[in-house]
Amino acid sequence: DTGVSQDPRHKITKRGQNVTFRCDPISEHNRLYWYRQTLGQGPEFLTYFQNEAQLEKSRLLSDRFSAERPKGSFSTLEIQRTEQGDSAMYLCASSPGHSSAYNSPLHFGNGTRLTVT
Amino acid sequence: KQEVTQIPAALSVPEGENLVLNCSFTDSAIYNLQWFRQDPGKGLTSLLLIQSSQREQTSGRLNASLDKSSGRSTLYIAASQPGDSATYLCAVLDGAGSYQLTFGKGTKLSVIP
Repeated sequence: DTGVSQDPRHKITKRGQNVTFRCDPISEHNRLYWYRQTLGQGPEFLTYFQNEAQLEKSRLLSDRFSAERPKGSFSTLEIQRTEQGDSAMYLCASSPGHSSAYNSPLHFGNGTRLTVT
Repeated sequence: KQEVTQIPAALSVPEGENLVLNCSFTDSAIYNLQWFRQDPGKGLTSLLLIQSSQREQTSGRLNASLDKSSGRSTLYIAASQPGDSATYLCAVLDGAGSYQLTFGKGTKLSVIP
């Protein structure tokens, strides 16, 4: 169990550029979640995958945001035409599929910190 | 819309003291409540998960209780240590077809040696 891995750890970009983040969940975890956290706030849910299927998306996930999990393993989160308000920590989490999704604790990665200048 | 509130926002205690962190939520129709720990610049570490049918969960020096009807949970930390210094976050899962956790803003705990 190597934990949830996120890459890169930090990303600085200029407004208007596109960025992509990667998340590698714990192996054999078929559930994967993306959250966003700004300073002094709790994480906010963005989206949820079970295997390769994106089953839930938050209203926070505007058209500029897209997430994929093509083979049910790693996932990518892309932000197009970044805005300064996108500056935040983007957190990925996974949980095992052998128990109910409603009662499985989430395992979080250390996040990708995005700064939009 | 579910709202989660954590009080206090920050807490400083001397080493060895027992302490209680509070969490309240507005909609009592939850599937579970989870407590997490977050160290600066890091992700979240799951501490305890209480299912809606349970009243409490214990892990080592940590004990979490849940009173669903009143919309409250407490996290009790016994014999605090400097290594317990972190931000503690409470989150609820509403279920009803949704998989999203709703988090509070956290309580920043400092344990003074």
